Amino acid sequence: AQKITQTQPGMFVQEKEAVTLDCTYDTSDQSYGLFWYKQPSSGEMIFLIYQGSYDEQNATEGRYSLNFQKARKSANLVISASQLGDSAMYFCAMRGIIQGAQKLVFGQGTRLTINP
Amino acid sequence: NAGVTQTPKFRVLKTGQSMTLLCAQDMNHEYMYWYRQDPGMGLRLIHYSVGEGTTAKGEVPDGYNVSRLKKQNFLLGLESAAPSQTSVYFCASSYSARHSTNEKLFFGSGTQLSVL
Repeated sequence: AQKITQTQPGMFVQEKEAVTLDCTYDTSDQSYGLFWYKQPSSGEMIFLIYQGSYDEQNATEGRYSLNFQKARKSANLVISASQLGDSAMYFCAMRGIIQGAQKLVFGQGTRLTINP
Repeated sequence: NAGVTQTPKFRVLKTGQSMTLLCAQDMNHEYMYWYRQDPGMGLRLIHYSVGEGTTAKGEVPDGYNVSRLKKQNFLLGLESAAPSQTSVYFCASSYSARHSTNEKLFFGSGTQLSVL
């Protein structure tokens, strides 16, 4: 069974600092995908970044990068130069195959607060 | 550019009442999903569909029923609402991509349901 663990319920960071949000996963699949979503206070789910299990390089999307350590089964999100607008809930998710179909399994989330 | 549309956005029910949440997508996606979001528990999969006329149970299906009579619509029903079903409900969709891991989910804006 697939499982995602986010061990940081909340994080507080000063504006312009870099922040790392932790995510570990468990799967027996050889091929899988890892995603990060942002959920601001307005409630919508915003896709941030994707990493495939066979990708040799860490994914980057603007200020977001994913620190993928396959042997340790971790997929941490790094936000460089944090901004006030980064304050939100962040969810790590993994695409797995459950009952023959592909679905995303989510972690519990980390609430990030950026202080001015 | 409608994407995934959920109706209603808010609803209050009394215990024992029934209701249906509607999800519509205009991206010709094969896969559709219903998740519920509760504090500290991330998003949990209720039911999903891999195509028109097919549905399957997710992690937390009890107390819910679904139907996918048309490819673009995925309905979530509560036959007899209970306070434990107070939650935020998200619909999502994706391309089928059965053998691909990089298909992200597109989410609706969520439905806040309170059961008194």
